[in-house]
Amino acid sequence: NAGVTQTPKFQVLKTGQSMTLQCAQDMNHNSMYWYRQDPGMGLRLIYYSASEGTTDKGEVPNGYNVSRLNKREFSLRLESAAPSQTSVYFCASSEARQGREAFFGQGTRLTVV
Amino acid sequence: AQSVAQPEDQVNVAEGNPLTVKCTYSVSGNPYLFWYVQYPNRGLQFLLKYITGDNLVKGSYGFEAEFNKSQTSFHLKKPSALVSDSALYFCAVRDGVSGGYNKLIFGAGTRLAVHP
Repeated sequence: NAGVTQTPKFQVLKTGQSMTLQCAQDMNHNSMYWYRQDPGMGLRLIYYSASEGTTDKGEVPNGYNVSRLNKREFSLRLESAAPSQTSVYFCASSEARQGREAFFGQGTRLTVV
Repeated sequence: AQSVAQPEDQVNVAEGNPLTVKCTYSVSGNPYLFWYVQYPNRGLQFLLKYITGDNLVKGSYGFEAEFNKSQTSFHLKKPSALVSDSALYFCAVRDGVSGGYNKLIFGAGTRLAVHP
């Protein structure tokens, strides 16, 4: 019972490099999310996908793009990494109904040097 | 716009004493409220939620939370703290306005330290 799986777990990038964070869920959830976690700022929503085929900006979308590849997978891309994007990134998923809780992956610790 | 405030960066409690972690929220419609816990180097784990009904909701590991609509609060409580409860706690809200999609927004988190 994997739940939400993120890859990679750790990554170091040089400024200007690009990379894609992968996320997959096996709970048949319609909605998926990407958050970043920074000390003292909690979790901030980067992008979300309410259902397959749709994506929308969250609180801090600048510098990121997303793709909802299918119902299971939701990827986050950094086209040109900046030191300000050093953070821990979490993917989550939930059923579409509003009262449903979200389930989180284990996180990706990204450092941009 | 919806928002969540956790006014305390850290809460210190002696083992065996009751604990409270505070959360207040702002939403347009009826709120859906959640508490999550994060242990070091781990993802967030769901603890409990308020959707409707009884204002006191019970969750995992002996935690409970009290919804107070007039004070727009959803404080997390436990009657007797354990050292193993030491972790980072997040409150989250999704508003219940119909039509459109309602995002899940988190507070900044409160670090709970339970001392032996």
